[in-house]
Amino acid sequence: QLQLQESGPGLVKPSETLSLICTVSGGSISSGSSYWGWIRQPPGKGLEWIGSLSYSGNTYYNPSLKSRVTISVDTSKNQFSLNLTSVTAADTAVYSCARGRLECSTICESWFDPWGQGTLVIVSS
Amino acid sequence: LVMTQSPATLSVSPGERAIVSCRASHSVSSTLAWYQQKPGQAPRLLIYGTSTRATGIPARFSGSGSGTEFTLTISSLQSEDFGLYYCQQYNNWPPMYTFGQGTKLEVK
Repeated sequence: QLQLQESGPGLVKPSETLSLICTVSGGSISSGSSYWGWIRQPPGKGLEWIGSLSYSGNTYYNPSLKSRVTISVDTSKNQFSLNLTSVTAADTAVYSCARGRLECSTICESWFDPWGQGTLVIVSS
Repeated sequence: LVMTQSPATLSVSPGERAIVSCRASHSVSSTLAWYQQKPGQAPRLLIYGTSTRATGIPARFSGSGSGTEFTLTISSLQSEDFGLYYCQQYNNWPPMYTFGQGTKLEVK
């Protein structure tokens, strides 16, 4: 059973870089059918896709965050990571990692399953 | 693209039917996914491809729709079904995922 677990600091100072790691267990991060994504949820608000990493190493980011986001993979550790630079209080959120599935036939469709439990990151001095 | 869910809050009695709607700001060629989230828990995939139930999801959950209008129906609410529900649309190029703002399903 595939499981994902986020880890990283729960408190980051404004203007600094938020760094999180997602550890994948029960399956290989190099699986050809999987994408790996980060999604966040500010307190009391809805879900926002941050970005995804394909099995081939391509990255795709939400245009609203693209200038500040980097997602990378460490296949030797079965992990992928999120870096978000120049954070402000608006970046305070629960950050979750998830496996993305992409299926293309006449159209392409994609969804996330499963998700990690999520980790709360507070941006504050 | 904006995905708008309605209603924001839905009050339903156990055993009754619940319908959550998700409207796209413009017609989408892709399909829709639905997630359930309970307090303190990660979202759980319910439906993908607009109408395909994820593994282990009971048959009382169903999805339908196309274009700009999509629906999640829970045919006979059980106590464990109460929580937050989100729709999610995927655009293939450039790759982009858009979530609805969520619908809170509560006990009436």
